[in-house]
Amino acid sequence: DVKVTQSSRYLVKRTGEKVFLECVQDMDHENMFWYRQDPGLGLRLIYFSYDVKMKEKGDIPEGYSVSREKKERFSLILESASTNQTSMYLCASSVSGQGNTEAFFGQGTRLTVV
Amino acid sequence: TQLLEQSPQFLSIQEGENLTVYCNSSSVFSSLQWYRQEPGEGPVLLVTVVTGGEVKKLKRLTFQFGDARKDSSLHITAAQPGDTGLYLCAGNFNKFYFGSGTKLNVKP
Repeated sequence: DVKVTQSSRYLVKRTGEKVFLECVQDMDHENMFWYRQDPGLGLRLIYFSYDVKMKEKGDIPEGYSVSREKKERFSLILESASTNQTSMYLCASSVSGQGNTEAFFGQGTRLTVV
Repeated sequence: TQLLEQSPQFLSIQEGENLTVYCNSSSVFSSLQWYRQEPGEGPVLLVTVVTGGEVKKLKRLTFQFGDARKDSSLHITAAQPGDTGLYLCAGNFNKFYFGSGTKLNVKP
């Protein structure tokens, strides 16, 4: 059974804290993605990685960084959390290639910054 | 502006009714996908449409890809409460672009 696992379902952090969101996949996928989901805005891509140590900015990278030291793990880092980063964060993975490939998602991390 | 626009944003209907959700873009896609997301979970792929004009059926769900490969629709026949969820269309250019979603509520 294929799986993308996010380390936390719910997180509450204080403004200014450094926050780490972890994601692990067991499908040997090349591509991994971090999205945030807000009502009415759908899923917006923050960063993605197509290989170990490789990363590319998505549509909304400001205030975030990522790390991919191993193929199976992709971490999202909020350098200094702010209240406008309160959101649902979704990690996904896929094989490389366009068109017919499927995105497999984790269950999401609901982050609240107070 | 989003690459993929979905309509309607919200839909609340009675069990047994039919409905159609639309996904439109000004860009041409080699394929479009539809995902469903249930509360507290990540989206799950329902279908991928690849050929312009293609129609795919998944039980009571019918998916169509526009002839120009810029738009797609999802039609549900005789909706059930179990169809409740967020429906998302997506295009893949080696990274997945998602529409804003249609939140469907089917009341018993």
